[in-house]
Amino acid sequence: RKEVEQDPGPFNVPEGATVAFNCTYSNSASQSFFWYRQDCRKEPKLLMSVYSSGNEDGRFTAQLNRASQYISLLIRDSKLSDSATYLCVVAYTDKLIFGTGTRLQVFP
Amino acid sequence: GAVVSQHPSWVICKSGTSVKIECRSLDFQATTMFWYRQFPKQSLMLMATSNEGSKATYEQGVEKDKFLINHASLTLSTLTVTSAHPEDSSFYICSASIMGLGSNQPQHFGDGTRLSIL
Repeated sequence: RKEVEQDPGPFNVPEGATVAFNCTYSNSASQSFFWYRQDCRKEPKLLMSVYSSGNEDGRFTAQLNRASQYISLLIRDSKLSDSATYLCVVAYTDKLIFGTGTRLQVFP
Repeated sequence: GAVVSQHPSWVICKSGTSVKIECRSLDFQATTMFWYRQFPKQSLMLMATSNEGSKATYEQGVEKDKFLINHASLTLSTLTVTSAHPEDSSFYICSASIMGLGSNQPQHFGDGTRLSIL
């Protein structure tokens, strides 16, 4: 079993749509959680950290359920520029464990 | 602006060549740097953790004699792919840990190096 699992997609959605990504992790001792965004042939960039209380940054909402070892990302009012691969990332000690990513394609 | 610089960004070379990739922290000292590899449509896989002044810690399955890591200063770590073969073609990315330096990011990533072995 992979340490961090994500649906690879692709998710093809029209502009303005709401889309949700899910992620599960296997190590219950994981300490921190993040969503990264990776554009094609580029390095990953931090989108947001994820907290148990849930957190929101503009159109993006992230949620963590430690009991279920489950992380989610909700994107509202999708923009064309949101097209990218979204990586679920779990930190244990100082190491980051990456999921394979979920590909999002927003079309006009 | 970028806080981690990686060079070169793209390398194409013949099989059997050794390739050195540099990762520099800009304007801060990084005692720990990380090297990742990403094959097409796969996740970033941690190869090794590079600690300044000591030997790197390699992840399971990564050959330390194949992938030589040197972290001789607090701002520079290098990865040398020795006697590279086509199966080593991949996207190599470094990152620096800057926890405790006032950043909300666990690691800052370099731009990555795309290595193609012919």
